Amino acid sequence: DAGVIQSPRHEVTEMGQEVTLRCKPISGHDYLFWYRQTMMRGLELLIYFNNNVPIDDSGMPEDRFSAKMPNASFSTLKIQPSEPRDSAVYFCASSRTGESGETQYFGPGTRLLVL
Amino acid sequence: AQKVTQAQTEISVVEKEDVTLDCVYETRDTTYYLFWYKQPPSGELVFLIRRNSFDEQNEISGRYSWNFQKSTSSFNFTITASQVVDSAVYFCALTTDSNYQLIWGAGTKLIIKP
Repeated sequence: DAGVIQSPRHEVTEMGQEVTLRCKPISGHDYLFWYRQTMMRGLELLIYFNNNVPIDDSGMPEDRFSAKMPNASFSTLKIQPSEPRDSAVYFCASSRTGESGETQYFGPGTRLLVL
Repeated sequence: AQKVTQAQTEISVVEKEDVTLDCVYETRDTTYYLFWYKQPPSGELVFLIRRNSFDEQNEISGRYSWNFQKSTSSFNFTITASQVVDSAVYFCALTTDSNYQLIWGAGTKLIIKP
């Protein structure tokens, strides 16, 4: 079975540009999570969805960040406009349920560099 | 408060040595789950193991073993006969019945020298 798929794997952009990160969760998983990883702050949960509906976006740092899940097999995280401090690795993860103890499976990540 | 502490920031050993990565957790919940993930230099996060609070049996998977001790709130990870390919950052994480989100430790960077 395919794991979580993310694209692109690497993105280099200039400050002010729009960035869109994409994720395809594992088929049959009802929960999708977006994380950001930086050296300073470690892994941070940005937002998560249940059955395509955003449940908690309290981790989204600013209004410049937005996420959508138009269907069960696709989600996007958009940054507009991007800033150098957004440089990080962005992970998408999915799980079968949202219950405590349910394992989250991570995609390979998108390494974003904003110049 | 819920917290995961990985006190070892970096460990360096020579290949074939055994190495133990420590993980200490804090929670007042009686039902909770502990996880280990591996992040190799390529960057992906790979799930290794999940353990629930009611199962204190140690787990062994090949060269990997996990020692769960509720008395010391620890869930330590041992690699036997380490190999260069084991070089990675290893994260311990916790979820509880009152907090479904993963609570992450800071990670331990493991360097295996040939």
